[in-house]
Amino acid sequence: QSVLTQPPSVSGAPGQRVTISCTGSSSNIGAGYDVHWYQHLPGTAPKLLIYDNNNRPSGVPDRFSGSKSGTSASLAITGLQAEDEADYYCQSYDSSLSEVIFGGGTKLTVL
Amino acid sequence: EVQLVESGGGLVQPGRSLRLSCPTSGFTFSDYALTWFRRAPGKGLEWLGFIRSKAYGETTDYAASVKGRFSISRDDSNSIAYLQMNSLKADDTAVYYCARVAGVYQLLALLYFDHWGQGTLVTVSS
Repeated sequence: QSVLTQPPSVSGAPGQRVTISCTGSSSNIGAGYDVHWYQHLPGTAPKLLIYDNNNRPSGVPDRFSGSKSGTSASLAITGLQAEDEADYYCQSYDSSLSEVIFGGGTKLTVL
Repeated sequence: EVQLVESGGGLVQPGRSLRLSCPTSGFTFSDYALTWFRRAPGKGLEWLGFIRSKAYGETTDYAASVKGRFSISRDDSNSIAYLQMNSLKADDTAVYYCARVAGVYQLLALLYFDHWGQGTLVTVSS
């Protein structure tokens, strides 16, 4: 069981907006550690989408945005496209474990 | 263009060892920390450990799940990172990925990963 909790799946129609939550605790997100988000299609290289809670690397469309509040973080995707269908992971650090931690991943299906 | 390409995966018997390689190009390898992950069938991403650059003493940190069995090393002259895996178990079956640690900070609490390889499959089975 992952230290960061994500919904196993979300779905949306093309053009819609979806959000993926990432819930942690007082030893990780709630302690102020940054949250980062990755997109992964099995068989390909994972891709950094959001770093330091709400920053996009160059080349990532502004349809992707991140936020953080308290012990949780969220990834929002607007204007959903078929190519967005993938697995999404949040990542942070846990001070109790002294480890980099990931959420369990969320499978996004574009209907 | 930054590139990382994992190699060395394959079928290995339980209890045996395997070393994965991650040759890189497109950036000054010696300046960056490198890290390894895996994704087991039907499961999510799991961080395994990382190695800092020479400027930070090439020190390493590992996840508790692999500490003592796995070790990470680097060859700055050839821009290659390695993952040595010993005493392999069936649970170690996964696709293994190497990645570059983003930015100049090499503190465990600040890590995130900006370039990844496509992975190499390791299957542990008799």
